[in-house]
Amino acid sequence: KAGVTQTPRYLIKTRGQQVTLSCSPISGHRSVSWYQQTPGQGLQFLFEYFSETQRNKGNFPGRFSGRQFSNSRSEMNVSTLELGDSALYLCASSPGPLANTQYFGPGTRLTVL
Amino acid sequence: AQTVTQSQPEMSVQEAETVTLSCTYDTSESNYYLFWYKQPPSRQMILVIRQEAYKQQNATENRFSVNFQKAAKSFSLKISDSQLGDTAMYFCAFMKRSNNAGNMLTFGGGTRLMVKP
Repeated sequence: KAGVTQTPRYLIKTRGQQVTLSCSPISGHRSVSWYQQTPGQGLQFLFEYFSETQRNKGNFPGRFSGRQFSNSRSEMNVSTLELGDSALYLCASSPGPLANTQYFGPGTRLTVL
Repeated sequence: AQTVTQSQPEMSVQEAETVTLSCTYDTSESNYYLFWYKQPPSRQMILVIRQEAYKQQNATENRFSVNFQKAAKSFSLKISDSQLGDTAMYFCAFMKRSNNAGNMLTFGGGTRLMVKP
């Protein structure tokens, strides 16, 4: 089985722009979670989607949003980018709502200038 | 809310030796999972080992084993016969297990492990 894929792998944006990141889960997996990793804050949970519904949301401003499609692929969007949004964004997938193990993609490295 | 603490920011070990990484957590939950993930320089997060809180037996996966002390809320990772490829950041993580908990991981701050030849 192919692993979790994320596109693009690298992205450079300027302050005020918006960005959309994509995540394709492992085939058959229906839960997708997003995490932000920064040197200062470490790994922080953004949100989780299951069956096209957001199940959990972390403590991030409303500029961070996401969605999931019927094929379980997920996108996250960050509007009005700030310098502090520079981070590695990791996507993880699980087979279902209580699958307990998450498998991570390679991440998207976002740099905001 | 849960918290996960890794008190060793950096560690080093000689190749072929054994090293133990520490992790403590704080939770009021009784049903949960604990994980160790490895993040090598490639940044790909790789699952190392998983422990169900209701199981008293410590999980083992080849050279990796854990010492799970539920009452003490401690979850350490032992790496035996360390290999150069074990060089990575290691993250301890907690996940609540309930019908409405979802799949949300709470991570510790990580321990950078360097295996020296």
